[in-house]
Amino acid sequence: DTAVSQTPKYLVTQMGNDKSIKCEQNLGHDTMYWYKQDSKKFLKIMFSYNNKELIINETVPNRFSPKSPDKAHLNLHINSLELGDSAVYFCASSRPYGELFFGEGSRLTVL
Amino acid sequence: DQQVKQNSPSLSVQEGRISILNCDYTNSMFDYFLWYKKYPAEGPTFLISISSIKDKNEDGRFTVFLNKSAKHLSLHIVPSQPGDSAVYFCAASKEPIQGAQKLVFGQGTRLTINP
Repeated sequence: DTAVSQTPKYLVTQMGNDKSIKCEQNLGHDTMYWYKQDSKKFLKIMFSYNNKELIINETVPNRFSPKSPDKAHLNLHINSLELGDSAVYFCASSRPYGELFFGEGSRLTVL
Repeated sequence: DQQVKQNSPSLSVQEGRISILNCDYTNSMFDYFLWYKKYPAEGPTFLISISSIKDKNEDGRFTVFLNKSAKHLSLHIVPSQPGDSAVYFCAASKEPIQGAQKLVFGQGTRLTINP
C-alpha cells in the first residue's frame, strides 16, 4: 500500500497547455510538499502545506498553483506550460519536524 | 547559490568494503542534516539524520558524521552491499516553519557497489 502516491507518473504535453499532478498520502501526516528535480538533478522545494494552509512558497512562477482540498491531498496545477517546466516533480509528506516521505515522482515533458 | 554540495558525482566501491560519501554546506544556520537514498524511477527514501548538537549518529550499517567547524558531513556504509547501489542525496535544513522541514539538497552521488 503506497504511502505517498502521485498521478500521473509520466506526462508529455505541448507548450502552452495546462496540466495537473495529483498527490495523496495515507500516512496521516499534516504537512505536504512539492519538490522539483531539474535537469541538473537538484531537488528544490516549491511549496509546503500544513493542514491545508500554505506555509512555504518559494520563488515559483505564478503559473504554478498548489491546491490542498484536505490534509491528505496536495495537487499541483501548472498553467501555460513552458519548455523549462520539464522536470520530475516529487510530492512528499512529513510529521511535524520529521523526515520527509517522498512519492515516486511525476516526469513532466513539455514539447 | 549552492548551499549544499556533493562534489563527487559518482563513487565505486567493492562489496564488503566501506563506502564514504561526503557533503559540504555553506549556511551555518543549518541545524539538521539528512541522507536520502534514491533508486531509479523511485522517490528518495530517508536513510539517516543528525542534529547539529551531535557529531555522530549510527543506524546499523550506516553512520553519519558531522563536523560543524568544517561544515562537512559524511555517510559511512560498512560493509557495503550490492543493494546499496543508488544515488545518495545529502540534505540540510534550518528552523522548521510550522513543523515543515525546508530541505536543501545536494546534487547527489551515484554509488556503485561492485561484486
